[in-house]
Amino acid sequence: EEGLVESGGGLVHPRGSLRLFCTASGFTFSRYEMVWVRQAPGKGLEWISYISKIDNYIYYANSVKGRFTISRDNAKNSLYLQMNSLRVEDTAVYYCARLGPDRRTDFDIWGQGTQVTVSS
Amino acid sequence: EIVLTQSPGTLSLSPGESATLSCRASQSVSSSYLAWYQQKAGQAPRLLIYGAYSRATGIPDRFSGSGSGTDFTLTISRLEPEDFAVYYCQQYDKSRTWAFGQGTKVEI
Repeated sequence: EEGLVESGGGLVHPRGSLRLFCTASGFTFSRYEMVWVRQAPGKGLEWISYISKIDNYIYYANSVKGRFTISRDNAKNSLYLQMNSLRVEDTAVYYCARLGPDRRTDFDIWGQGTQVTVSS
Repeated sequence: EIVLTQSPGTLSLSPGESATLSCRASQSVSSSYLAWYQQKAGQAPRLLIYGAYSRATGIPDRFSGSGSGTDFTLTISRLEPEDFAVYYCQQYDKSRTWAFGQGTKVEI
């Protein structure tokens, strides 16, 4: 069965760093573009980053640009999100998601999410 | 930047009734670039509809999408108990950015 599993979340102080991990299974990871999406407590969904199949294209939402870095290792079926200079407003559940097959318009597979809490 | 506005914020209905959820874009969106998701409490979102009309794998046919231009609709006919959730519309921009509406909660 196709799936994604995130890990690496936790409690971090403002201005701290955290690295999130997303491991894919059940499909050929290298054939899919990937994104990170987050959801602040009680709020809606926010797309934050995209990476192409061989990481030659990378995009970020303005809210995280310059602080977060997305990367992938196709040999390890893994997606990463390095988060630096964290702020209280970065507190959220972070999801990795797969872009739909042969299209990049929507996200057809999601992980269960990992909680990131930024607090002093 | 295209902004998606969903209405109503909350829809109170009973099982067996139909739900009509609206998603309005601040400027015209290609139908190919409009999707809908369902999110139940404590769970990840699930893709329901892509390309405005196409149901994702495994989605029952009581879910249907319609619309074009700036106005899109998700219809849930014959609500089942498991359909009570929050629904989000989402659009894709060719600059490789994605945006979501603020969500509509369908409650009993």
